Amino acid sequence: GEDVEQSLFLSVREGDSSVINCTYTDSSSTYLYWYKQEPGAGLQLLTYIFSNMDMKQDQRLTVLLNKKDKHLSLRIADTQTGDSAIYFCAEGGSYIPTFGRGTSLIVHP
Amino acid sequence: KAGVTQTPRYLIKTRGQQVTLSCSPISGHRSVSWYQQTPGQGLQFLFEYFSETQRNKGNFPGRFSGRQFSNSRSEMNVSTLELGDSALYLCASSRRTGGNTGELFFGEGSRLTVL
Repeated sequence: GEDVEQSLFLSVREGDSSVINCTYTDSSSTYLYWYKQEPGAGLQLLTYIFSNMDMKQDQRLTVLLNKKDKHLSLRIADTQTGDSAIYFCAEGGSYIPTFGRGTSLIVHP
Repeated sequence: KAGVTQTPRYLIKTRGQQVTLSCSPISGHRSVSWYQQTPGQGLQFLFEYFSETQRNKGNFPGRFSGRQFSNSRSEMNVSTLELGDSALYLCASSRRTGGNTGELFFGEGSRLTVL
């Protein structure tokens, strides 16, 4: 069955880079997504990558996709305290994406 | 334009009661999905409605139900509440048309506490 796995916690120092990793199982996924959830809020799409791409860069965000290993990563450069949130990886081939359990990113001074 | 609106934001119920949650999607979005978020299970898909019809359903018992109205607004209902139903219930809307990225737009959620 479909499954998306990601580590539950990541702690980084302010100014460092953060790398959040995710593995998925559905090779037919058309898009892979990263959503961000701030405390007390719903999820918000951070970025996505089309399945025929290897990399996508958007300002401080870099998404890497390894289709062979079904591995997706999100790198946040120069991590700030405002980046503290839960980050969800999701795969989507239909209209219902499958979400991972989320990685809590903790940024400390 | 206005985002996804969920009401109520917070509610407290006791075991055995029932609850109805409401979701107003972004204007023009015809698909509404519901998710349950708990610390232990993460984000779990409940069901999706499109054009007033349930199109997809997650693995939840029949106590969880929903509907969608002609204006795309959606409600979900949980009957005979159990302690384990305490969660953040998130609604998400999307265009659900071919060629788009499948992005979901989430509301802030309804936090249900069952005592």
